[in-house]
Amino acid sequence: QSALTQPASVSGSPGQSITISCAGTSSDVGSYDLVSWYQQYPGKAPKLMVYEVTKRPSGVSDRFSGSKSGNTASLTISGLQAEDEADYYCCSYAGSTTLYVFGPGTKVTV
Amino acid sequence: EVQLVESGGGLVNPGGSLRLSCAASGFAFSNVWMTWARQAPGKGLEWLGRIRSNSYDGMTEYAAPVKGRFTISRDDSKTTLYLQMNSLKTEDTAVYFCTTLNQKNAFDFWGLGTLVTVSS
Repeated sequence: QSALTQPASVSGSPGQSITISCAGTSSDVGSYDLVSWYQQYPGKAPKLMVYEVTKRPSGVSDRFSGSKSGNTASLTISGLQAEDEADYYCCSYAGSTTLYVFGPGTKVTV
Repeated sequence: EVQLVESGGGLVNPGGSLRLSCAASGFAFSNVWMTWARQAPGKGLEWLGRIRSNSYDGMTEYAAPVKGRFTISRDDSKTTLYLQMNSLKTEDTAVYFCTTLNQKNAFDFWGLGTLVTVSS
């Protein structure tokens, strides 16, 4: 059982915006601005899309944006495109004992 | 270009051992903290453990499900990361990924993974 909670699936039409939530606790998401998001296509390696809640690595489209409120982080994909159809995982630093926790993943369908 | 290539996966009996390798290139391996993660068939990602750079202190830390059974090590001269897995269980069946860990506590580069199947 994952320490973080994500919806199993989110869908949207091309051009729309969708938001994926990632609910944690005051021990992880709520305590650290160290939430990251990963995109994974079937059978492929995950790709870092957002780190430190809101920052994008070089080369990641600005259609992907992250935010956080309290114990819940979110990833918003704007201007949805067919290529955005993938699984998305959130991850949070959770302190020196647990270190890192992942969410169960959200399947995005366009 | 950063490249991480895992190897060593395969079929192993419950209770057995296996050592995975991750050959790294395209970056200053010795300065980078590294991690292992896994993904069971049809399931989500699970972080397993990390090793700090030797220039920092070379320490390792593990997730609870694998602590005491798995050991991470690195050979900076070979730019290779290792995962020694002992006392394997059927629930350890998964694709195992090595990743870099940046200073922002994000896993910024991933290998393609290697499949480990624990079954009799």
